[in-house]
Amino acid sequence: QKEVEQDPGPLSVPEGAIVSLNCTYSNSAFQYFMWYRQYSRKGPELLMYTYSSGNKEDGRFTAQVDKSSKYISLFIRDSQPSDSATYLCAMEGAQKLVFGQGTRLTINP
Amino acid sequence: DTGVSQDPRHKITKRGQNVTFRCDPISEHNRLYWYRQTLGQGPEFLTYFQNEAQLEKSRLLSDRFSAERPKGSFSTLEIQRTEQGDSAMYLCASSPAGRGDTQYFGPGTRLTVL
Repeated sequence: QKEVEQDPGPLSVPEGAIVSLNCTYSNSAFQYFMWYRQYSRKGPELLMYTYSSGNKEDGRFTAQVDKSSKYISLFIRDSQPSDSATYLCAMEGAQKLVFGQGTRLTINP
Repeated sequence: DTGVSQDPRHKITKRGQNVTFRCDPISEHNRLYWYRQTLGQGPEFLTYFQNEAQLEKSRLLSDRFSAERPKGSFSTLEIQRTEQGDSAMYLCASSPAGRGDTQYFGPGTRLTVL
């Protein structure tokens, strides 16, 4: 079993929809939780990071962490075609990142 | 552009050849990481440095792989006697001291072994 599980999709939604992306994890020692966006053939771009349980909002993006359920989410409001990318969840453990498989998201105009 | 640069961006080599990749981190970051990403998967940790000291190596890093960070600035990753299974994107990231949670990635080097 992988330490971090993420549905690879693909996920396709119309422009303007609210997108929900999720990951589950098994290691209770994880304290920092990140979301990265990766466009095709590019390096991952850090979108948001949160510490422990709670919510964090940045523009159209909201990250949620529920440590009791070992479950994290990223919500994208008013989705745009430019949001089409692969979204990777990551968790920091012992100074290194453990990534999910990534969810491929397409926003249709 | 995160400020982390990698060179080359793409490398095609024949099986059995040696290859070397370079990473230049964000200048004020003293931590540097190497990850490997295969198609359809998330990046997997290979190794990391704090300044010039290599502090951890993954089991993924076989004896054919070696990484260095002389003088605590740029880093190189060398793969000897390449195999087709080494074909992947090799990503470099850097972070400030003590901030493993805020790692900024470079564009990656895509290796194809024929």
